[in-house]
Amino acid sequence: EDQVTQSPEALRLQEGESSSLNCSYTVSGLRGLFWYRQDPGKGPEFLFTLYSAGEEKEKERLKATLTKKESFLHITAPKPEDSATYLCAVQASFGGGGSNYKLTFGKGTLLTVNP
Amino acid sequence: DADVTQTPRNRITKTGKRIMLECSQTKGHDRMYWYRQDPGLGLQLIYYSFDVKDINKGEISDGYSVSRQAQAKFSLSLESAIPNQTALYFCATSGEGVYGYTFGSGTRLTVV
Repeated sequence: EDQVTQSPEALRLQEGESSSLNCSYTVSGLRGLFWYRQDPGKGPEFLFTLYSAGEEKEKERLKATLTKKESFLHITAPKPEDSATYLCAVQASFGGGGSNYKLTFGKGTLLTVNP
Repeated sequence: DADVTQTPRNRITKTGKRIMLECSQTKGHDRMYWYRQDPGLGLQLIYYSFDVKDINKGEISDGYSVSRQAQAKFSLSLESAIPNQTALYFCATSGEGVYGYTFGSGTRLTVV
């Protein structure tokens, strides 16, 4: 069974204090790993897709990296507007071949950045 | 206009009532999904559809049914609502292959 575990559950930072969020996964036949940002009462917003170990993606103050067992979302010099829940998800096959994939989500990390 | 539109945004209903949540998308994708989100449990897949004639149960389909009226429309029904179906419901769509999903803004459902 595919599993995604995110840590910590909650993280409180001061503005400018860099840190990392972790996403560890167990999946058979990983096709892609996704990071989403979710603001309260809103739908998840796509941030990054990582496909293979060693890959890195950057967007503003965020950088996502991928190994064979985990992914990190590094936040450099965060600002209060970076406060949100960050979700990690892995995409693997439903089985039976073809291009039918399912997305399994972690429970998220609630990030709070204080001014 | 949003790529994925969900209606209603908020709904309070009574136990035993039938309720329908609607979703429409303008991405032109064939694949659509319904997820439920509860605090501390993350997003759980209720139903998914790869095209108009292909509908499948997800992890937590008991008590729910769906209808794919067209490529762009996918509705979720609670036949007889119960309080533990109180949650935030999201519709999503994706293209074929390994693509990120586009989510709607959600429907907050409260069953009293």
